[in-house]
Amino acid sequence: SYVLTQPPSVSVAPGQTARITCGGNNIGTESVHWYQKKPGQAPVLVVHDDSDRPSGIPERFSGSNSGNTATLTISRVEAGDEADYYCQVWDSSSDHPGVFGGGTKLTVL
Amino acid sequence: EVQLVESGGDLVQPGRSLRLSCAASGFTFNDYAMHWARQAPGKGLEWVSGISWNSGSIRYADSVQGRFIISRDNAKNSLYLQMNSLRAEDTAFYYCARDKHDILTGPFDSWGLGTLVTVSS
Repeated sequence: SYVLTQPPSVSVAPGQTARITCGGNNIGTESVHWYQKKPGQAPVLVVHDDSDRPSGIPERFSGSNSGNTATLTISRVEAGDEADYYCQVWDSSSDHPGVFGGGTKLTVL
Repeated sequence: EVQLVESGGDLVQPGRSLRLSCAASGFTFNDYAMHWARQAPGKGLEWVSGISWNSGSIRYADSVQGRFIISRDNAKNSLYLQMNSLRAEDTAFYYCARDKHDILTGPFDSWGLGTLVTVSS
């Protein structure tokens, strides 16, 4: 089955830019979605289809996808952005198509 | 406002069964595919199962294939997960999530708060 690889942790100072990567074989040919998960809260979709933002998500959240790496970029990071972030694809060629990356803990210093 | 409310989580012994429910409101339920996902303590998100708008397409994670059964009742705006032959590794918060489309494609654009399933003797 398809495997998505994320770094376990990323740290950034407030006001700086955080980049969270998601690696996968030819992931550039897939539609990648990103979720934010805070303790005790429901996951929130922050970017879908590589680079689209749902309504209500700040423009500071953006995404890109090419080759073997997709990236979630958070500009002007705020303390409230501290959370776990997960990439996800739907591998329609698989019998078990729903795939999440292992997650990345974003720490705001 | 879209609302998804899970229920049915409990402490259950290994080998036993449990049925989770998800009550949906604030949208036309039969216009969307639905999913279950889970998060074990200290672990990441794991997709569990998905069902299309008319139940015509159903998929499972390899870890639950043959033990779990997903279903939906569009008349009751409800999603279900029948969990059989439960194992300790099934211990997790279980989340109900709405697909952005009526077929199984993702993304999951709305989620519930989850219900806790603990499998232990």
